[in-house]
Amino acid sequence: EPEVTQTPSHQVTQMGQEVILRCVPISNHLYFYWYRQILGQKVEFLVSFYNNEISEKSEIFDDQFSVERPDGSNFTLKIRSTKLEDSAMYFCASSPAGNTEAFFGQGTRLTVV
Amino acid sequence: DQQVKQNSPSLSVQEGRISILNCDYTNSMFDYFLWYKKYPAEGPTFLISISSIKDKNEDGRFTVFLNKSAKHLSLHIVPSQPGDSAVYFCAASPTSNYQLIWGAGTKLIIKP
Repeated sequence: EPEVTQTPSHQVTQMGQEVILRCVPISNHLYFYWYRQILGQKVEFLVSFYNNEISEKSEIFDDQFSVERPDGSNFTLKIRSTKLEDSAMYFCASSPAGNTEAFFGQGTRLTVV
Repeated sequence: DQQVKQNSPSLSVQEGRISILNCDYTNSMFDYFLWYKKYPAEGPTFLISISSIKDKNEDGRFTVFLNKSAKHLSLHIVPSQPGDSAVYFCAASPTSNYQLIWGAGTKLIIKP
């Protein structure tokens, strides 16, 4: 069964460093998303991406964040100058069309120290 | 931001009985609702969805009911099985965009 894969499963980084979280969405899906869940809090939408551009983003997704689809398979989230409060589980998801069920990866646990 | 609320942090149900998980929403622009199941250290797994033009959708042991006037939806699992023990998230989306707004989750525990 096709699945969304995320690497790494756990990333530890020092405050102020840049991190890139990687995702391989399901191959025939057209919409890609990043969500995050801070420990003990709700899952929060960060950004959606369609047709090689951001279609929506939340207030959380400020200039510190960027997304890219560098080739036909990967979808990355870059966090510049990480802060302690960026520590969270980051989930990548994809869907075949907008406003349909999204399929999630296993997540990357980001720990900023 | 409490647009989607799951007021029960946890629910314990006997194996074989019905599990009913509840979700309330405040935004009348939501027209697509989903339930996800999540095990520890895994990503959310899609279970079932319903659009606002329906009031019920059924898939095997899972049924979702939508009461638009009350802005309430529920997920029924019958019969409940031990593998159903997980955290269940309600999520909603308006047609104007595709982002999902999530509830806080309900931890379902199925007792043998």
